[in-house]
Amino acid sequence: AQRVTQPEKLLSVFKGAPVELKCNYSYSGSPELFWYVQYSRQRLQLLLRHISRESIKGFTADLNKGETSFHLKKPFAQEEDSAMYYCALSPDNYGQNFVFGPGTRLSVLP
Amino acid sequence: EAGVAQSPRYKIIEKRQSVAFWCNPISGHATLYWYQQILGQGPKLLIQFQNNGVVDDSQLPKDRFSAERLKGVDSTLKIQPAKLEDSAVYLCASSFPLAGPFSEQFFGPGTRLTVL
Repeated sequence: AQRVTQPEKLLSVFKGAPVELKCNYSYSGSPELFWYVQYSRQRLQLLLRHISRESIKGFTADLNKGETSFHLKKPFAQEEDSAMYYCALSPDNYGQNFVFGPGTRLSVLP
Repeated sequence: EAGVAQSPRYKIIEKRQSVAFWCNPISGHATLYWYQQILGQGPKLLIQFQNNGVVDDSQLPKDRFSAERLKGVDSTLKIQPAKLEDSAVYLCASSFPLAGPFSEQFFGPGTRLTVL
């Protein structure tokens, strides 16, 4: 069965420092990968998805099929980036069987 | 546009009681999801509807959980009877599938259930 792991429960960085939130997945096929974010007192929302090849709020994520990873990166963290980040996987072409990772809480310190 | 609506926002019940949650998706969104999020974990998909048909309920504990989506719009998730381990936030999400199989899911605020 497909699985998503995020090894860090909490990641603290200083403002202006680079940040990388790790995500690894297990799935034998070619899944679609996503990052969802939940800011304090807000709803869970899509940050970015691999298929769109986009950069949102300065964040990018590269799919590495060899390492089965989809790490989220930002060169200069801002305090407003503090939130809960979830990596997620859709294993097929129909958007079914969606799987979320356990999440990483990012804290950007002033 | 109005977002996904859920009610109630909070519910406290005793074990073995029944409880129901309601979700109203974004207008025009044919796909509706129910997730269970236990404290400290990521959301776990319980059931996915396409219009009023079920496309995935493989992780729904069918001995106690049930869900329906009459007329392909609103949905109700029920737990009967509840157990202590059902304490969680229940999230509803919807998406517009014609945007593609990997279209964005829009989430509601969730219902926090506490089972005593």
